[in-house]
Amino acid sequence: DGGITQSPKYLFRKEGQNVTLSCEQNLNHDAMYWYRQDPGQGLRLIYYSQIVNDFQKGDIAEGYSVSREKKESFPLTVTSAQKNPTAFYLCASSISRDSLYNEQFFGPGTRLTVL
Amino acid sequence: GEDVEQSLFLSVREGDSSVINCTYTDSSSTYLYWYKQEPGAGLQLLTYIFSNMDMKQDQRLTVLLNKKDKHLSLRIADTQTGDSAIYFCAPGGYQKVTFGIGTKLQVIP
Repeated sequence: DGGITQSPKYLFRKEGQNVTLSCEQNLNHDAMYWYRQDPGQGLRLIYYSQIVNDFQKGDIAEGYSVSREKKESFPLTVTSAQKNPTAFYLCASSISRDSLYNEQFFGPGTRLTVL
Repeated sequence: GEDVEQSLFLSVREGDSSVINCTYTDSSSTYLYWYKQEPGAGLQLLTYIFSNMDMKQDQRLTVLLNKKDKHLSLRIADTQTGDSAIYFCAPGGYQKVTFGIGTKLQVIP
């Protein structure tokens, strides 16, 4: 079964610690995305990647970092510089960001709580 | 940047029709998507419409597009309790998709 997975589903961290959220896809998609979802604010784009070893900042990249060493994987690190990291994080992928039809496939999400 | 507006909440009785509305600002949007998010889960594509169409029907779902007014709507016929979810409007174009804030649909049995 092809799909996109995120782990863990729930994550707790202490203030001041970095934490990495995992995202893996076996859909052979070129493009991958990270979104943050807060109540009443919808989805906000953190980072995206169109190809291996390349990624771009989205609308709210401050305090986050990513890597794209493999096509299948796009981990997100929430650093201690992110002032309000408690949120629901969603990873998505699409065949290519360059096509006009850009259906995104979403993972199940990771809920991060900073204590 | 693109602005996408949706109302936050809609409550309907089981068996009635639901209509979720969306307005957007980017006239270059070529595909306009509707995504569904169930509690604690990711988003799933529900349906979409190409910008040169004004209506698309898919079983209980009807999408209407008024390109002149930049208005998109999703009608769910015979709404069921399983339709309770958040619905996101997402206009898309070359290299971008912008998600609305999401409309929470509550279905009352």
